[in-house]
Amino acid sequence: NAGVMQNPRHLVRRRGQEARLRCSPMKGHSHVYWYRQLPEEGLKFMVYLQKENIIDESGMPKERFSAEFPKEGPSILRIQQVVRGDSAAYFCASSPPPGATEAFFGQGTRLTVV
Amino acid sequence: DQQVKQNSPSLSVQEGRISILNCDYTNSMFDYFLWYKKYPAEGPTFLISISSIKDKNEDGRFTVFLNKSAKHLSLHIVPSQPGDSAVYFCAAIAKAAGNKLTFGGGTRVLVKP
Repeated sequence: NAGVMQNPRHLVRRRGQEARLRCSPMKGHSHVYWYRQLPEEGLKFMVYLQKENIIDESGMPKERFSAEFPKEGPSILRIQQVVRGDSAAYFCASSPPPGATEAFFGQGTRLTVV
Repeated sequence: DQQVKQNSPSLSVQEGRISILNCDYTNSMFDYFLWYKKYPAEGPTFLISISSIKDKNEDGRFTVFLNKSAKHLSLHIVPSQPGDSAVYFCAAIAKAAGNKLTFGGGTRVLVKP
């Protein structure tokens, strides 16, 4: 009974490179959420996706960040031209279809921009 | 504008005693509240939740209390155990706006043996 799987666990990128973070939801879950945790802060909502649809991206920075959840395969959070301020822990959570309020989190990807 | 606040960044408690964690919110649209526990280098783990139609929910050593009029909730852990040492996050959902979680800043709990 695999939980939410995120990879890589740790990612180091130089300024200006692209970062791709992957999230495979729990089996049977069709909803994916991405959150970001900056050092010494709480988690901040970024984006909410269903298969092939972005439902709510109100927490996503307007530039350089994008997310997708294709029909097949994991959800991808993509950060283009990374800057030092993008260094954070990025967590993915999944939940069953609407009505379920409990979301299950992955172990996160720690992005370090050098 | 922080809609969910945990005003105590840390809490130290003796093993066997009660831990009380507090959380305040400002958005009256929130109608479901959750507590998550987080160990270093791991993702948050769901602990307990409460709907806004209730004022108390209990699960083993964990009890969550909700005071809607004060927009305040608390988590009681009794008795506290060393394994409870972690960061605890309060989170809220406005179901009409989807199930995205709005988190507080967290409270680091240290349970001393």
